[in-house]
Amino acid sequence: GAGVSQSPSNKVTEKGKDVELRCDPISGHTALYWYRQSLGQGLEFLIYFQGNSAPDKSGLPSDRFSAERTGGSVSTLTIQRTQQEDSAVYLCASSLDRINSPLHFGNGTRLTVT
Amino acid sequence: DQQVKQNSPSLSVQEGRISILNCDYTNSMFDYFLWYKKYPAEGPTFLISISSIKDKNEDGRFTVFLNKSAKHLSLHIVPSQPGDSAVYFCAASAHNTDKLIFGTGTRLQVFP
Repeated sequence: GAGVSQSPSNKVTEKGKDVELRCDPISGHTALYWYRQSLGQGLEFLIYFQGNSAPDKSGLPSDRFSAERTGGSVSTLTIQRTQQEDSAVYLCASSLDRINSPLHFGNGTRLTVT
Repeated sequence: DQQVKQNSPSLSVQEGRISILNCDYTNSMFDYFLWYKKYPAEGPTFLISISSIKDKNEDGRFTVFLNKSAKHLSLHIVPSQPGDSAVYFCAASAHNTDKLIFGTGTRLQVFP
């Protein structure tokens, strides 16, 4: 089963703590995306990677959010000093090439900040 | 500024009838449109797409229509089945960007 894998599936953290969310894309997919879905909202774009570089970071909500991708594969999204408004489902997706290849999503990480 | 809008948060349709999900967009640079389907606790899955050079694309029970002048697209599902019950997201992108912009979704319920 070579789908997009995200871990953890659920994360509860206290306000002010840092969290790391991991994404394992489909092997061979060069493009990787992070989105988040807050309660009752659509999918909000956060960041896009092509290989290891991030041409578009425009969706990151604040400087508390950062992401990296290593070896053209695994990506981590880090949220520092979490706030309650960061609570959401964080979705990772990968695609073969660029945007006109359909995105394959993982099942997401549900983050709850208490 | 919501560039992709799905104004109906929910839709209820009887099994066997047609489901029509609508989507409007504001950015005239968008040239590629997709529909994704999402079940609870799962990520969205790709359903069907259409390029702006076409006005219709069909795949089995699913057809997407694009009206560029109205900046409107729709997804038709016929006949609807209970397994189609899910949240449907419309998404769009422009050729000069790598960002896929999603709508807020429409929850479809197909009842027997």
